[in-house]
Amino acid sequence: AQSVTQLGSHVSVSEGALVLLRCNYSSSVPPYLFWYVQYPNQGLQLLLKYTTGATLVKGINGFEAEFKKSETSFHLTKPSAHMSDAAEYFCAVSESGGTDKLIFGTGTRLQVFP
Amino acid sequence: DTGVSQDPRHKITKRGQNVTFRCDPISEHNRLYWYRQTLGQGPEFLTYFQNEAQLEKSRLLSDRFSAERPKGSFSTLEIQRTEQGDSAMYLCATRGQAIEKLFFGSGTQLSVL
Repeated sequence: AQSVTQLGSHVSVSEGALVLLRCNYSSSVPPYLFWYVQYPNQGLQLLLKYTTGATLVKGINGFEAEFKKSETSFHLTKPSAHMSDAAEYFCAVSESGGTDKLIFGTGTRLQVFP
Repeated sequence: DTGVSQDPRHKITKRGQNVTFRCDPISEHNRLYWYRQTLGQGPEFLTYFQNEAQLEKSRLLSDRFSAERPKGSFSTLEIQRTEQGDSAMYLCATRGQAIEKLFFGSGTQLSVL
């Protein structure tokens, strides 16, 4: 069975500082990996995804993530945090070639201080 | 706005009552998913449709839950004899055949008193 673990339910950074949100996955088949962001009172929005090919993927709003098979990780980073990045971030995994059913982590709430 | 509409946005009901939620997908999207999200948790998969066929149901979907997608367009999720533990955000997501991206609606927040 697939699963996702997000280390740290809350992360706080100063504006301009590096953002690092951690995600580790478990999958018996090659995974598809996703990061979604949820702003208050809004639906989930896709930040970026990894399916095949280049292991460093770039997403919207300056975020990027690197798929590391040896570490079963897909950590999300942004070089310089902005106040507008404050939100809940979810890592998710699905089976390649499957129903595309997503299995989500428990989320990490990012706070950005001025 | 992702183009996926959910109605109502909020629903307050008394324990034991039946409730029904609706999801209107992006018109060309043939795949539709229902998820449930409780406070402090990530969304949990409930069920999945391809066109009008319900292809997968989670163990979370008890006998009190039923979902339909007549004619492969909008979908409804009904909860019978609601319990306080059903209180959650119910999310709908859709995608097209060849697009590896789910579009989520804003959800229906259910509160069972």
